[in-house]
Amino acid sequence: NAGVTQTPKFRVLKTGQSMTLLCAQDMNHEYMYWYRQDPGMGLRLIHYSVGEGTTAKGEVPDGYNVSRLKKQNFLLGLESAAPSQTSVYFCASSWVDQYQPQHFGDGTRLSIL
Amino acid sequence: AQSVTQPDIHITVSEGASLELRCNYSYGATPYLFWYVQSPGQGLQLLLKYFSGDTLVQGIKGFEAEFKRSQSSFNLRKPSVHWSDAAEYFCAVGAARSNYQLIWGAGTKLIIKP
Repeated sequence: NAGVTQTPKFRVLKTGQSMTLLCAQDMNHEYMYWYRQDPGMGLRLIHYSVGEGTTAKGEVPDGYNVSRLKKQNFLLGLESAAPSQTSVYFCASSWVDQYQPQHFGDGTRLSIL
Repeated sequence: AQSVTQPDIHITVSEGASLELRCNYSYGATPYLFWYVQSPGQGLQLLLKYFSGDTLVQGIKGFEAEFKRSQSSFNLRKPSVHWSDAAEYFCAVGAARSNYQLIWGAGTKLIIKP
């Protein structure tokens, strides 16, 4: 009963490197989200998806790309990492009904040197 | 623009004492409201939610929250805190106008004194 699984849990990158964060959910949820969490700023939505093959921009999409090729997976990519992208990244998923809560993974702590 | 304010960055409470965490929102229509808790090194877990009806809602772990439309508030309460309640608490607001995306408060860190 995994719920939402994020990989990796930790990563250190150098400026300019690229990487992909993977989010997998086993609850058959339609909606998936990527957030970043920075001290004193709560959660900010990067991108989200309302179904397989669809993506949309959130509050802070610049510097990130996403893909939802399979319903259960939502990938977040950094093409050219910058120190400002040092953060903790959370993936979440939910049912289509907006009244349903979001289910979160345990996060990925990413440091850009 | 919609916003959510959690005025207290951190709160320290003695074990066994009562707790109230504040959340104020700015939104023109009736929002739907959530409280989440985040334990260190973990993701967020839903404590409770309010959409309509009774303005006092009960959640998990003995928490409750009261929606006050006149004050645009949704404060979280617990009559007696336990050391295991030490965590960060987030208030979130959503509405149809925002395409059901949630707007999050900055969080309140709860510290429990033994």
